[in-house]
Amino acid sequence: DIQMTQSPSSLSASVGDSVTITCRASQGIRNYLAWFQVKPGKAPKSLIYAASTLQSGVPSKFSGSGSGTDFTLTISSLHPEDFATYYCQQYNNYPLTFGGGTKVEVK
Amino acid sequence: QVQLRESGPGLVKPSQTVSLTCTVSGDSMKSYSYYWNWIRKPAGKGLEWIGRIYTSVNTKYNPSLQSRVTMSIDTSKNEFSLTLNSVTAADTAVYYCATTDIAMLRGLDNWGQGTLVTVSS
Repeated sequence: DIQMTQSPSSLSASVGDSVTITCRASQGIRNYLAWFQVKPGKAPKSLIYAASTLQSGVPSKFSGSGSGTDFTLTISSLHPEDFATYYCQQYNNYPLTFGGGTKVEVK
Repeated sequence: QVQLRESGPGLVKPSQTVSLTCTVSGDSMKSYSYYWNWIRKPAGKGLEWIGRIYTSVNTKYNPSLQSRVTMSIDTSKNEFSLTLNSVTAADTAVYYCATTDIAMLRGLDNWGQGTLVTVSS
């Protein structure tokens, strides 16, 4: 299985801040990398696929980059609704695997 | 856009079998445009992909669960199902269904809200 390592596991930030989350794959996955936002009691929301392509309707404050093994998600100008847990996920190989998550909390 | 809604029993006893259903709306499953996936999230832990189904003879399961998982599909009802047998407390989780396009270009793009399964006597 491909292991996905996310860092940090949590971070504290203020409204208006920008944050960056990193994700590393244990082997090359080309650009078959997605990012999700998860909030309790809500459907997980796909933000980015193919490492850098925004899903329809996702604001441009979310951006992704990377290829191969190293990827980043940047969220600019945090709004209150952005405080959530974010996961990366590879879909280059089965089984599909997720990173451990990054909880973005209010400072 | 496809909408998904999970349903299940909520509470299951250890060693029993749990069956969950995902009802699809917004598109006919007979279009064969999607892979239909199950993912779970135990409380305080991360997301785990369980498997996916395309047709009744085209399935892929996570090897970690393969011996206990069966997925099925009923296009006439526009729903697909997950059966997990010999459950333990470790199977307590929120279970989600989600779609991927069959070219696997956009990843898991549509998700249901999830259904909680608690394994307890």
